[in-house]
Amino acid sequence: NAGVTQTPKFRVLKTGQSMTLLCAQDMNHEYMYWYRQDPGMGLRLIHYSVGEGTTAKGEVPDGYNVSRLKKQNFLLGLESAAPSQTSVYFCASSYSPGTGGKNEQYFGPGTRLTVT
Amino acid sequence: GNSVTQMEGPVTLSEEAFLTINCTYTATGYPSLFWYVQYPGEGLQLLLKATKADDKGSNKGFEATYRKETTSFHLEKGSVQVSDSAVYFCALLRSYTGNQFYFGTGTSLTVIP
Repeated sequence: NAGVTQTPKFRVLKTGQSMTLLCAQDMNHEYMYWYRQDPGMGLRLIHYSVGEGTTAKGEVPDGYNVSRLKKQNFLLGLESAAPSQTSVYFCASSYSPGTGGKNEQYFGPGTRLTVT
Repeated sequence: GNSVTQMEGPVTLSEEAFLTINCTYTATGYPSLFWYVQYPGEGLQLLLKATKADDKGSNKGFEATYRKETTSFHLEKGSVQVSDSAVYFCALLRSYTGNQFYFGTGTSLTVIP
């Protein structure tokens, strides 16, 4: 049981390049999330998904797109990277609300992205 | 709106010292409250949680009590170890839509031998 995994672990992009971050979970969770972590700002929600084929915007969605074609995967895309997107990106997953009180989120190890 | 305010760090303690990290929240209704821990280079791990007023969450010697009257969820440990050095995040959960968490900014703890 690998939990939540993220690919890649590190990436350096030039301004304007694009890339996709992959998140996978093997816990059969309905909900999945993408966060960014910046110094002094905690975690901020970018996008989330409440089930296969659905996505929704979080607190800081601009410049990012997501897709949830399979229940176990949640992709985060940057179409044209900017230096302001330099950050550590975390994926998380959880059961849907009301699932026997199991409402905590499980996090992946993170992807460190630098945009020059 | 929903928000979490936690004690600014960094915090440096000697081994076996008493730890308190303050956390207060703003939320409508009855949120669930959590403490997560992040060790260097890793993702966040759930440390403990409480789902209703007066509940006490506990794990690995850490405790926190859900105090609705003071809207607080302070993290405590009686005797810290070097291995407790990490960043600690307080969070609240509103389940009404999207199971969305609201995180504090994190408090860095360093324990010195």
